[in-house]
Amino acid sequence: DSGVTQTPKHLITATGQRVTLRCSPRSGDLSVYWYQQSLDQGLQFLIQYYNGEERAKGNILERFSAQQFPDLHSELNLSSLELGDSALYFCASSVEGRGQTNEKLFFGSGTQLSVL
Amino acid sequence: GEDVEQSLFLSVREGDSSVINCTYTDSSSTYLYWYKQEPGAGLQLLTYIFSNMDMKQDQRLTVLLNKKDKHLSLRIADTQTGDSAIYFCAEGTSSGGSYIPTFGRGTSLIVHP
Repeated sequence: DSGVTQTPKHLITATGQRVTLRCSPRSGDLSVYWYQQSLDQGLQFLIQYYNGEERAKGNILERFSAQQFPDLHSELNLSSLELGDSALYFCASSVEGRGQTNEKLFFGSGTQLSVL
Repeated sequence: GEDVEQSLFLSVREGDSSVINCTYTDSSSTYLYWYKQEPGAGLQLLTYIFSNMDMKQDQRLTVLLNKKDKHLSLRIADTQTGDSAIYFCAEGTSSGGSYIPTFGRGTSLIVHP
């Protein structure tokens, strides 16, 4: 058990809908990362938050947004869903994330999103 | 092309050594990582190597780094069926002041009796 909790584990929804994925980092970790894993794209970095502030942005679509709350949990919001958004979404956390070079990430088990 | 490249599959016999290879592109990467993903689980950090090292050994795992060729390998000695998983190579890539691990597509290691 990595200590990172993601809910829900599975989510089935329809095109055009909006969903929210939730992540609780390990106790004491200040940084949260979101990744999307799909067969065609592999593991793609979406966005990172550090202590409530956006820190780095990757290949995140404009239809997607995220935030980190004062209690350090994070939510990833996916809107106007398309079939191609079906993927496994991982949250990871690390202690720092402020530019330290040795970023050891601890991953949750992921949320499997199926868009029908 | 992709920043981190790995072969997709590797099949070995139980008890043999496994060698998983990876090439990366960012010469400024300070740390390089190997993560393991078992079915239905998230990625788990296996080991990492600092870029000024050539080799790191950790029990059955040996990491070799050729910085000139930007080549990283993971050797698993005495491979067991429990080692069957997907192995990801990652480099720490600078992005907006953070170092974000950039992952390869993963190598599926299949260990058969």
